[in-house]
Amino acid sequence: DSGVTQTPKHLITATGQRVTLRCSPRSGDLSVYWYQQSLDQGLQFLIQYYNGEERAKGNILERFSAQQFPDLHSELNLSSLELGDSALYFCASSPRGLRDTGELFFGEGSRLTVL
Amino acid sequence: GQQLNQSPQSMFIQEGEDVSMNCTSSSIFNTWLWYKQEPGEGPVLLIALYKAGELTSNGRLTAQFGITRKDSFLNISASIPSDVGIYFCAGQLVGSNYKLTFGKGTLLTVNP
Repeated sequence: DSGVTQTPKHLITATGQRVTLRCSPRSGDLSVYWYQQSLDQGLQFLIQYYNGEERAKGNILERFSAQQFPDLHSELNLSSLELGDSALYFCASSPRGLRDTGELFFGEGSRLTVL
Repeated sequence: GQQLNQSPQSMFIQEGEDVSMNCTSSSIFNTWLWYKQEPGEGPVLLIALYKAGELTSNGRLTAQFGITRKDSFLNISASIPSDVGIYFCAGQLVGSNYKLTFGKGTLLTVNP
């Protein structure tokens, strides 16, 4: 158990819909990262938050947004869903905020299926 | 985005055999890490490397940070069935503001 909690574990929805994925980082970790994992693209970095502020952006679509709340949990919002958005979405947290070393603790992921 | 070339894509070996996989890039990295992902789980960190030439072991696992800072390898000795999973290399590119780039993974299957 990494200490990172993600909900829901599985989600099935239709094209055009909007979903919210939730992540609670490990106790004491200030940084939260979101990754998308698909068969053809591997693990793709989406976005990072540190102590409530956006810190780095990766290949995140404009239809996707995220935020980190004062209690440090984070939500990833996916809207106008398309079939190609079907993937595993991982949240990870880091024990070091400003000087990250790549040591990430991943949750079990949320599997999104868009029909 | 920056690509890490991880090879092989998959391996099917017999229990007891040694395994070697590697990652290469055309760019220089500050950090190399190796993660393992088992079915239904998120990736778990195995080994982290922070200096060029660094050789680090974790039980039966050994990894090295290449001298050129553009590559890394992971060796697993005397494989066992529970070594099954997907192994990912990951690196922090110089000047990337600590972003972590992942390779596409090596799927390891161990035949008992």
